Amino acid sequence: NAGVTQTPKFQVLKTGQSMTLQCAQDMNHEYMSWYRQDPGMGLRLIHYSVGAGITDQGEVPNGYNVSRSTTEDFPLRLLSAAPSQTSVYFCASKGGNSNQPQHFGDGTRLSIL
Amino acid sequence: DQQVKQNSPSLSVQEGRISILNCDYTNSMFDYFLWYKKYPAEGPTFLISISSIKDKNEDGRFTVFLNKSAKHLSLHIVPSQPGDSAVYFCAASAQQGAQKLVFGQGTRLTINP
Repeated sequence: NAGVTQTPKFQVLKTGQSMTLQCAQDMNHEYMSWYRQDPGMGLRLIHYSVGAGITDQGEVPNGYNVSRSTTEDFPLRLLSAAPSQTSVYFCASKGGNSNQPQHFGDGTRLSIL
Repeated sequence: DQQVKQNSPSLSVQEGRISILNCDYTNSMFDYFLWYKKYPAEGPTFLISISSIKDKNEDGRFTVFLNKSAKHLSLHIVPSQPGDSAVYFCAASAQQGAQKLVFGQGTRLTINP
């Protein structure tokens, strides 16, 4: 089982560039989310989706866009990268509305110069 | 405002002894709590969870205790093993389905042989 797959694993961008972080899951999970983790801090929710065509903002949504055209994929777009967006980004998925845990990908380490 | 706090950034325990990791929360609406374990360069892995209707949940060497009146939970690992060395995150949810998680800052546990 692949689980939650994130690409790329590493990326370096210049300030002002845009890019898309990819996330795919093969567990037919309805719920997907994006978190960022910064040094000394826990993971913070950026955006989430409860199903195809439905997205909503989390705790730190500014500077990021998401879309959910399929159940499997949930890409995260940085519109104009800023040094403050240097972080490790984790995608997660979970099934349905029951208290099942979220399954995380291995992360994308992003550096903005 | 940090709603979930892990006040110990690090903890060192001898192999075979008990490891106790602590977590405090401030939001009374949280009704579901989870512990995740994270190795370097990997995503968080679900360890154990507890609903607010319980005060204890056990899974093998791992036990989570919840004290709702004190808004405190703890993770006990016994006996501790070298492979338990990792960063442990406490997370909480105020939403049915545990879709939006709020994480603590993490505690780095080191098990010494």
